[in-house]
Amino acid sequence: EADIYQTPRYLVIGTGKKITLECSQTMGHDKMYWYQQDPGMELHLIHYSYGVNSTEKGDLSSESTVSRIRTEHFPLTLESARPSHTSQYLCASSVASGGYQETQYFGPGTRLLVL
Amino acid sequence: GNSVTQMEGPVTLSEEAFLTINCTYTATGYPSLFWYVQYPGEGLQLLLKATKADDKGSNKGFEATYRKETTSFHLEKGSVQVSDSAVYFCALRAQKLVFGQGTRLTINP
Repeated sequence: EADIYQTPRYLVIGTGKKITLECSQTMGHDKMYWYQQDPGMELHLIHYSYGVNSTEKGDLSSESTVSRIRTEHFPLTLESARPSHTSQYLCASSVASGGYQETQYFGPGTRLLVL
Repeated sequence: GNSVTQMEGPVTLSEEAFLTINCTYTATGYPSLFWYVQYPGEGLQLLLKATKADDKGSNKGFEATYRKETTSFHLEKGSVQVSDSAVYFCALRAQKLVFGQGTRLTINP
């Protein structure tokens, strides 16, 4: 069973507020990922990291930013939330050496509603 | 590029019915294949996986066989339960993880 945690699980916030979504894993995985899931269920990779001090943008352009100062922690920040940011955000992690057999393990998600 | 195509949903079945959710893929090389399940209000959980041709992944009564000749990884279960109601995602891992669009399954008692 994967040990990956996200907080908060649900967040309702007003336009213009700064928010940080937390993601932590206790498996010592080097790789971590953030996905945005739209109401139609499709998953979009928005950020990933291959290790400490490594961050890359994913396939879908996002106004959010990420940091990776510690192996276990990969927070996502929105400096000024807008209604278009309303979505579910999923964090995942995996072992770096997996290659084509790499398996990603997901957290429970944060459901964000921006009013 | 690599891609995954899933059976379009929603799929609605009665309890104890046989389930098949089709998944086909396009990929170069020899990807690994996965099924993830997402219960209402939750994140994705790994359901099963297969890493090479003819491998069969299985878990919780679900099965899928990696068929290279038909580039398929169909999910099956012999007798579904109401608790199986969820969204199911097929995915492949080559250079990166690629998901299908998801299939919503509802099981009625």
